[in-house]
Amino acid sequence: ILNVEQSPQSLHVQEGDSTNFTCSFPSSNFYALHWYRWETAKSPEALFVMTLNGDEKKKGRISATLNTKEGYSYLYIKGSQPEDSATYLCAFSGGYNKLIFGAGTRLAVHP
Amino acid sequence: DAGITQSPRHKVTETGTPVTLRCHQTENHRYMYWYRQDPGHGLRLIHYSYGVKDTDKGEVSDGYSVSRSKTEDFLLTLESATSSQTSVYFCAIAGTGETQYFGPGTRLLVL
Repeated sequence: ILNVEQSPQSLHVQEGDSTNFTCSFPSSNFYALHWYRWETAKSPEALFVMTLNGDEKKKGRISATLNTKEGYSYLYIKGSQPEDSATYLCAFSGGYNKLIFGAGTRLAVHP
Repeated sequence: DAGITQSPRHKVTETGTPVTLRCHQTENHRYMYWYRQDPGHGLRLIHYSYGVKDTDKGEVSDGYSVSRSKTEDFLLTLESATSSQTSVYFCAIAGTGETQYFGPGTRLLVL
């Protein structure tokens, strides 16, 4: 069974802080790494899909990097805002349109 | 927003009764998925479908069956519900890319 680990499990930051969290995944049979944002009482929404080693993606204040050789991805949030509070999920794909999700990092941004 | 609906949105049932959850899409996407959300586990794949009448098991398929007789509908059946199947169930769809789009979720309580 493939394992996708996310750390930390939860994070509390103050408004304006920059933060980052990690997703670790198997480095073999890699096809893509996905990041999703999941607000409480809503459905997960796609943030990024990354496929190439060294990929960097950015959307506003959120960015992500990918290292397929060592099997990790970082998600960064610059200048956190209360509306960034959510659970951030990463998901590993070995192809075949199946994703294996990590347990998520729950971020709380306090005003 | 991707056109995905789930029904019912909430259900309370008793142990031993059969339960069917429905996922309906209007996007004509090939791939459909059923996940369950549990604390500490993120999203775990129950079953998925890669076309009409083509389905396969996911990570936590025991006690669940699925059917897909039309492109737009993917049904998840709990043959004999148990308390361990109390959870929030999410349907997702994907087209030619791997990005998955999630439905609003069904909250199931088995007493």
